[in-house]
Amino acid sequence: GNSVTQMEGPVTLSEEAFLTINCTYTATGYPSLFWYVQYPGEGLQLLLKATKADDKGSNKGFEATYRKETTSFHLEKGSVQVSDSAVYFCALSGNTGTASKLTFGTGTRLQVTL
Amino acid sequence: DGGITQSPKYLFRKEGQNVTLSCEQNLNHDAMYWYRQDPGQGLRLIYYSQIVNDFQKGDIAEGYSVSREKKESFPLTVTSAQKNPTAFYLCASRRGQVEAFFGQGTRLTVV
Repeated sequence: GNSVTQMEGPVTLSEEAFLTINCTYTATGYPSLFWYVQYPGEGLQLLLKATKADDKGSNKGFEATYRKETTSFHLEKGSVQVSDSAVYFCALSGNTGTASKLTFGTGTRLQVTL
Repeated sequence: DGGITQSPKYLFRKEGQNVTLSCEQNLNHDAMYWYRQDPGQGLRLIYYSQIVNDFQKGDIAEGYSVSREKKESFPLTVTSAQKNPTAFYLCASRRGQVEAFFGQGTRLTVV
């Protein structure tokens, strides 16, 4: 079955540092890939997405590139802010069959300090 | 505005009691989902529905039940058979293979 593996957290960075959160996946066919963000006590919000190999999703300074050869979708940001502190989830959606389930990683907590 | 609404935000359940969590969407999405989130863990799928009057069990369906009588609504009942129901519950909806939209969640606590 499909699976998503994320790096363990928490990740603690100083403001303006470079961020990378690793995400690798296992899936058949050509899944769509997503990054979601969750702020304390809230639901998940879509951060960015990519639907085919070599696509780059970007939003609010965050970027991730769909790498089929390495089955990865790492999240990056050049300069983090305190307001980026949240939990980040990598997810995939298979495109075969009728079961349109989303599979999530376990989440990575990011803490940004001044 | 279109969106997905969960209610209540906080819910308290006594031992042996059934409780129902509400999820409503006005996005005209066919598919709806219920996830459970425990502290420090990812999201685990409880039930999902791809069409009205049809739903499937997810990975942790035991102790839960759902109905899908209307396209807009997908309520989740946490029954007394669920021995450890304290968690954060998230409802989502989507159309096709695009991204899912999530509600704000319901935090259920057993007292």
